[in-house]
Amino acid sequence: AQKITQTQPGMFVQEKEAVTLDCTYDTSDQSYGLFWYKQPSSGEMIFLIYQGSYDEQNATEGRYSLNFQKARKSANLVISASQLGDSAMYFCAMRLNNNDMRFGAGTRLTVKP
Amino acid sequence: NAGVMQNPRHLVRRRGQEARLRCSPMKGHSHVYWYRQLPEEGLKFMVYLQKENIIDESGMPKERFSAEFPKEGPSILRIQQVVRGDSAAYFCASSPAEPTSGRDPYEQYFGPGTRLTVT
Repeated sequence: AQKITQTQPGMFVQEKEAVTLDCTYDTSDQSYGLFWYKQPSSGEMIFLIYQGSYDEQNATEGRYSLNFQKARKSANLVISASQLGDSAMYFCAMRLNNNDMRFGAGTRLTVKP
Repeated sequence: NAGVMQNPRHLVRRRGQEARLRCSPMKGHSHVYWYRQLPEEGLKFMVYLQKENIIDESGMPKERFSAEFPKEGPSILRIQQVVRGDSAAYFCASSPAEPTSGRDPYEQYFGPGTRLTVT
């Protein structure tokens, strides 16, 4: 089965600390892409970070980094130095072939002051 | 370069009415995808269209829902005789016809969504 799993419905983190949001995936495809999106209360999907299946280095975008462990089929998002504005839903997604995109159920992150 | 545009952003319909959601893809993109997000859930694929063609509608409910992407104009997702369970956010995404040299060759770019409320 081709699916993506986020096992943390909700997470709390203290402001300025780092937090890891978990994501595991299952696919038999050799070529795929992994994405993380942020969805604030306003509802839009904001792209955060991307990791290609053939990329050997973990992706980083500012305070976001993706801990890609291909053998374990995991693609955890690490947010460093959390800010209050980071409070939102976070979705992991996997692009399989050229048009098949699967999303996890999401993790609601709350940053506490 | 405008991104994917969706309108309306919010739509309220009474049970039994029709809902029409519009999506204009990014300039140069000829592939459109529709997703539905129920409250507190992730996005679920509904349909994939190219100009004048439905490529994959495996995620579309069998009744009341239809989608089109005409040669000219936006893509339309149409829901007939809406029911309360249709209340959701509907997202459109677009991608170019050919793989690109960007971060992902088949990346889909998302619009802001339309929030449908059925009363």
